[in-house]
Amino acid sequence: QKEVEQNSGPLSVPEGAIASLNCTYSDRGSQSFFWYRQYSGKSPELIMFIYSNGDKEDGRFTAQLNKASQYVSLLIRDSQPSDSATYLCAVYGSWSNSGYALNFGKGTSLLVTP
Amino acid sequence: NAGVTQTPKFQVLKTGQSMTLQCAQDMNHNSMYWYRQDPGMGLRLIYYSASEGTTDKGEVPNGYNVSRLNKREFSLRLESAAPSQTSVYFCASSPGSQREKLFFGSGTQLSVL
Repeated sequence: QKEVEQNSGPLSVPEGAIASLNCTYSDRGSQSFFWYRQYSGKSPELIMFIYSNGDKEDGRFTAQLNKASQYVSLLIRDSQPSDSATYLCAVYGSWSNSGYALNFGKGTSLLVTP
Repeated sequence: NAGVTQTPKFQVLKTGQSMTLQCAQDMNHNSMYWYRQDPGMGLRLIYYSASEGTTDKGEVPNGYNVSRLNKREFSLRLESAAPSQTSVYFCASSPGSQREKLFFGSGTQLSVL
């Protein structure tokens, strides 16, 4: 079984600070990596994806990927109280010969305090 | 734009009852998925369908059956519900390649008493 590991948190940061969320994965063949945000009682929503080693920036969000270390992270700059949510790391893995599915970590709970 | 539509949104069952969760997508996606989410457990894959006519087991398939009725619809059936199946169920779809994101339905909160 493909493993995706995240610290469950809660991670508490003050408003305006940088929040750093980390994820490790076990399948060296994984090619694509996703970060979803999930508010309580809602569906997950995609906020970042990354395919290549290095950094990818989109607004206040930066995804970082290191395939050699099997590590992917999400940085949130200028954190806002509205960023308080659970962040799910997801990695594609093969479950059979017929296709692929996203494997999710257990999620990290982020709390941004005013 | 409807996207992925799941029904029902809420359901309460008694142990041993059966029910079917319905899911339909209008994005012409090839792949569809059923996940369950329990507190502190993230999303766990129950079954998926890589394309019309195929279904495969995920991480937690026991106690469930699925039907890919056509390209649009992918249903999840509980034949004899158990309290351990109390969870939030999400249906999702994607175009089908490993580089595509999943589009999620709004979820079904299921309680089995």
